[in-house]
Amino acid sequence: GPKVLQIPSHQIIDMGQMVTLNCDPVSNHLYFYWYKQILGQQMEFLVNFYNGKVMEKSKLFKDQFSVERPDGSYFTLKIQPTALEDSAVYFCASSLVDRGYEQYFGPGTRLTVL
Amino acid sequence: AQKVTQTQTSISVMEKTTVTMDCVYETQDSSYFLFWYKQTASGEIVFLIRQDSYKKENATVGHYSLNFQKPKSSIGLIITATQIEDSAVYFCAMREGGGGYKVVFGSGTRLLVSP
Repeated sequence: GPKVLQIPSHQIIDMGQMVTLNCDPVSNHLYFYWYKQILGQQMEFLVNFYNGKVMEKSKLFKDQFSVERPDGSYFTLKIQPTALEDSAVYFCASSLVDRGYEQYFGPGTRLTVL
Repeated sequence: AQKVTQTQTSISVMEKTTVTMDCVYETQDSSYFLFWYKQTASGEIVFLIRQDSYKKENATVGHYSLNFQKPKSSIGLIITATQIEDSAVYFCAMREGGGGYKVVFGSGTRLLVSP
């Protein structure tokens, strides 16, 4: 099926530092998402992004989080500054159309905040 | 608020048998979309199958099918002729058809298929 890529696969940083997680969505997809998964638990929605704007975000999407996709390049999630509780696997997803269409997920970036 | 509940934390079956995984959901919307995903041991998340709430027919894709019981807000996943490689964690998910954009996931059911 369609492939979403994520870079890096694993990132270790010190608390308080900034981190940027990169996502290369499926080429003709228009809607982009970030999810957070802690220790194999359920996936939790963070944010949905379309046409350069955040459409919806959850309570987990703290003020320290931001997303962007400058000029059709990577869709990024930036955390500045990071906190210990940000340690998790972050999954990027994309979909062709928003509501009824399934999302395709990347392999995830494991973020470890020390 | 929407909610998805998977009460089975793990299921073990023998290869080539049929397994059903349960999922119930809560939503105020009359229109919504239901999905099942599989997360493999490597962490990869794979889309399996989808059911639109306005469709009465149960969706079927390959050896996956759904048991959609709308009055009970239930969407079970049925895997027939299970294979070893079906061993994974299965997540049920829902998106409302109204103005919301997020997809809510259940807590997952771990399936172990033994030879």
